[in-house]
Amino acid sequence: EVQLAESGGGLVQPGGSLRLSCAASGFTFSDYWMSWVRQAPGKRLEWVANIKEDGSDKYYADSVKGRFTISRDNAKNSFFLQMNSLRADDTAVYYCGRDLAASLVDYWGQGTLVTVSS
Amino acid sequence: EILMTQSPATLSVSPGESATLSCRASQSVSNSLAWYQHKPGQAPRLLIFGASTRATGIPARFSGSGSGTEFTLTIISLQSDDFAVYYCQQFNSWPRTFGQGTRVEIK
Repeated sequence: EVQLAESGGGLVQPGGSLRLSCAASGFTFSDYWMSWVRQAPGKRLEWVANIKEDGSDKYYADSVKGRFTISRDNAKNSFFLQMNSLRADDTAVYYCGRDLAASLVDYWGQGTLVTVSS
Repeated sequence: EILMTQSPATLSVSPGESATLSCRASQSVSNSLAWYQHKPGQAPRLLIFGASTRATGIPARFSGSGSGTEFTLTIISLQSDDFAVYYCQQFNSWPRTFGQGTRVEIK
């Protein structure tokens, strides 16, 4: 059974940093692109970033480019989202997901809440 | 960026009835369209991809149709487990974008 579990969310001040982790199990992690998607309160889902199977390609939404970094550790079946220079509008539930054909997410985690507030 | 617009915002349906949800793209996305089901506090669930292909384990009462800019998700004989928010998403061009969701509630 495919399982994804996010961790690392919490309350952070504007300008601060946070690192999200996603632990994967139930599939061959190194065979898949992986993604982060977020949903701010009252807003639609927003794709944030994704990373190729071997980590050699990474793509970011314009809203996070230059501030967020996606990475992965295939030996530990995990991937990460380093979030720097956080702003109030980054407040959201962040979901990790497994990509299907690098196009959409076929399995999702339950999400972790990130709140950026002073 | 392609804008995805879903209608209606809320759909009130009695158990056993059918529901038809619409999704419109601001430009053609061919058949690069997915539908997801999302319940509060749970992981979103992929229902349909390629506009009409059911994902693994999705019951036949869920069906998708459409191409280009107009898409439909139909749920027949709604069960209690089907009351949720449904999102469409295009994956024809970057960035991938989602609709704002349709809430299917019990009438």
